[in-house]
Amino acid sequence: EPEVTQTPSHQVTQMGQEVILRCVPISNHLYFYWYRQILGQKVEFLVSFYNNEISEKSEIFDDQFSVERPDGSNFTLKIRSTKLEDSAMYFCASSDVRTANNSPLHFGNGTRLTVT
Amino acid sequence: KQEVTQIPAALSVPEGENLVLNCSFTDSAIYNLQWFRQDPGKGLTSLLLIQSSQREQTSGRLNASLDKSSGRSTLYIAASQPGDSATYLCAGPQGGSEKLVFGKGTKLTVNP
Repeated sequence: EPEVTQTPSHQVTQMGQEVILRCVPISNHLYFYWYRQILGQKVEFLVSFYNNEISEKSEIFDDQFSVERPDGSNFTLKIRSTKLEDSAMYFCASSDVRTANNSPLHFGNGTRLTVT
Repeated sequence: KQEVTQIPAALSVPEGENLVLNCSFTDSAIYNLQWFRQDPGKGLTSLLLIQSSQREQTSGRLNASLDKSSGRSTLYIAASQPGDSATYLCAGPQGGSEKLVFGKGTKLTVNP
């Protein structure tokens, strides 16, 4: 069964550094998402992306965050200047149609980001 | 604003027992609700998606129900097995949005 893949599985970085988290969504999917989960807390929505642009973003997704689909297969999340509070598990997800059209989200295994 | 709550936070049962996990949501105008499984250090696996027009959805030993009027969904697991041990999350959409709002999950332990 096709799956969403994320790299790296674990990233350690120093505060103030830039990080890029990478995702390869399922190939025929059109809608892409990033969520994150701080240890012990709920999974939180960050951003949705469709047709090469952001369709929706949360208040967490400030100017330090950006997303890009640089080619036909990759979907990246960049954090420009990491803070300690950015430490979390970051999940990429994709779907073939909008969630309103009753298509389940497919999640990757996540990237654990640790900011020291 | 959609809020999703799951009780209990943790549940421990002996193997073979049937069990029910609960999920409640505040915005009854949802168009679907999803149940996910999360294993430690892993991503979320979609288990079931119930559309607003459905009352139940089944997959193997799993059965999910949705009652929009009461703002509740349940996940029923029949004949539980140790391999069912995981955290189970439910998620519903924020009204008019692509955003899914998650509950905190129920951590299930099935003891052999």
